[in-house]
Amino acid sequence: TQLLEQSPQFLSIQEGENLTVYCNSSSVFSSLQWYRQEPGEGPVLLVTVVTGGEVKKLKRLTFQFGDARKDSSLHITAAQPGDTGLYLCAGVRDSGYALNFGKGTSLLVTP
Amino acid sequence: GAGVSQTPSNKVTEKGKYVELRCDPISGHTALYWYRQSLGQGPEFLIYFQGTGAADDSGLPNDRFFAVRPEGSVSTLKIQRTERGDSAVYLCASSKAGGPYEQYFGPGTRLTVT
Repeated sequence: TQLLEQSPQFLSIQEGENLTVYCNSSSVFSSLQWYRQEPGEGPVLLVTVVTGGEVKKLKRLTFQFGDARKDSSLHITAAQPGDTGLYLCAGVRDSGYALNFGKGTSLLVTP
Repeated sequence: GAGVSQTPSNKVTEKGKYVELRCDPISGHTALYWYRQSLGQGPEFLIYFQGTGAADDSGLPNDRFFAVRPEGSVSTLKIQRTERGDSAVYLCASSKAGGPYEQYFGPGTRLTVT
């Protein structure tokens, strides 16, 4: 049973479009991390958010942690083909340490 | 600095055989984690080490799976009597300490049981 539900599961868009990926749970997390994974490689950490309502920006990527620390979103502005990959959200529950992953959102950006 | 390394990158074994997967964490990271990722799924937690001891092995699927970290650095995940359902990518991650610290992943070992 996965604690985090990601949507959409698949997303195919054209270069230049904007998109948002959602990560939802009924559980509270002390921190939430977003990773990007490419075929044959391990997940690469993009960002960690720890405070409810926190917003972090990484170039064209904007990450938000929900006020109640139960959900998060990733918004990409003007997507580029290099953004193609599997985006995974993962949360650490209060007093925990293991990452609880969602199933991921597979993003394809075509030129 | 060097990241998390895992060997082998690929392992093909026959059903019933024994396999060992190795993880070399980032230098100075005291916490080490093993996860398993099946096709189309996010990684699932297997076991967590803080130093030399397994602080939590609740994610190990059954007693065919065992992991060690004898000197608090390199870890080995051992699978006995492998089954076809064990086929997956086994990922190792390390962090400065357990808890909300950021975890950094290795490239994984793809295990195929025929």
